[in-house]
Amino acid sequence: EPEVTQTPSHQVTQMGQEVILRCVPISNHLYFYWYRQILGQKVEFLVSFYNNEISEKSEIFDDQFSVERPDGSNFTLKIRSTKLEDSAMYFCASTHGTGLREQYFGPGTRLTVT
Amino acid sequence: GQQLNQSPQSMFIQEGEDVSMNCTSSSIFNTWLWYKQDPGEGPVLLIALYKAGELTSNGRLTAQFGITRKDSFLNISASIPSDVGIYFCAGDNQFYFGTGTSLTVIP
Repeated sequence: EPEVTQTPSHQVTQMGQEVILRCVPISNHLYFYWYRQILGQKVEFLVSFYNNEISEKSEIFDDQFSVERPDGSNFTLKIRSTKLEDSAMYFCASTHGTGLREQYFGPGTRLTVT
Repeated sequence: GQQLNQSPQSMFIQEGEDVSMNCTSSSIFNTWLWYKQDPGEGPVLLIALYKAGELTSNGRLTAQFGITRKDSFLNISASIPSDVGIYFCAGDNQFYFGTGTSLTVIP
């Protein structure tokens, strides 16, 4: 069964450093998403990406964040100058079309900022 | 942003019992989705609803899109231990997630 993969599974970084979280969406999917989930809280939408550009983003996704699809398979989330409050699980998801019926989530990357 | 409130916040039930949870929104949604999240894993989509009044089943799960388009319900019949997890509702194309309902099934 196809799946979304994410690396690393756990990233520890010091405050102020930059991190890049990597995702490999399902190969024939066209829409890609990043979410975050602070421990014990709900899942929060960050950004959606289609046709090599951002299609939607939330108020959380400010200038500290950026996304990129550097090649045909990877989808990355870059967080610049990390803060303690950036510590969370970051989930990547993908869908083939605009409908959410077949949205698949990856296993997540746990980011710990110290 | 959109507010999605889920209730109850947590449930402790005996194996075999039916479960009911709901999600309410401060505004109208065109899409409702229900996800289950196991500890340490990403959410898994259970049911998607696209029309007011729609009732959709997936095995022992049944979800309904409220007529007012401001709420949705998820029912689980004859619960089993593997139903344990956190259930999230989500709505509309902005992918707003609810606050979650934590389900514990006691064997």
